[in-house]
Amino acid sequence: QVQLQESVPGLLKPSQTLSLTCSVSGGSISSGSYHWNWIRQSAAKGLEWLGHISASGNTNYNPSLKSRVTISVDTSKNQFSLTLTSVTAADTAVYYCASGYLSNWFRVWGQGTLVTVSS
Amino acid sequence: DIQMTQSPSSVSASVGDRVTITCRASQGISSWLAWYQQKPGEAPKLLIFLASSVQNAFPARFRGSGSGTDFTLTINNLQPEDSATYYCQQANNIPLTFGGGTKVEIK
Repeated sequence: QVQLQESVPGLLKPSQTLSLTCSVSGGSISSGSYHWNWIRQSAAKGLEWLGHISASGNTNYNPSLKSRVTISVDTSKNQFSLTLTSVTAADTAVYYCASGYLSNWFRVWGQGTLVTVSS
Repeated sequence: DIQMTQSPSSVSASVGDRVTITCRASQGISSWLAWYQQKPGEAPKLLIFLASSVQNAFPARFRGSGSGTDFTLTINNLQPEDSATYYCQQANNIPLTFGGGTKVEIK
């Protein structure tokens, strides 16, 4: 069973760049059958899907984030990452990584990590 | 984007009751719908996928139904451990989108 663990980003100031990593254990990130997702949850917006990447590197992003978001994979470390530029207070949320096998639902979730953006 | 509308936003019921939660998609999504259960301080857990397939970790009192735009999550014989917030999610179109959630409380 795949398990996921997000890194802890610390406190961010407005305009900074958020970088999160999700470590994958119990399976290979190179498996061609998985989508590796980032999802966030805030009181204001509820659950919001940010995007995903496949083992081949194909990505899909939520258009609401425009060009601020990038998801990448590091197969040597069995990790995938989220980068979100120009953060504002509206990006304050619990960020989850999640995996989907042969589907666009999320069978396995990380525990979540709180990201706070404040000056 | 496909909008997912859940109702009610909250429900309070007694142990042994039947609870019904509805989820409506702004356009047809066939059976590409999932339900999640989330308890405070925890990540959501996949409860139902493909509208009606219940994950093995959950008991048979959970039932999902529907297709197209209208879906239902039914909890039969409500138990104290079912107290949680339930979310629907469409898996048909990018961006993937969630409903606003339904909080189930035990009286």
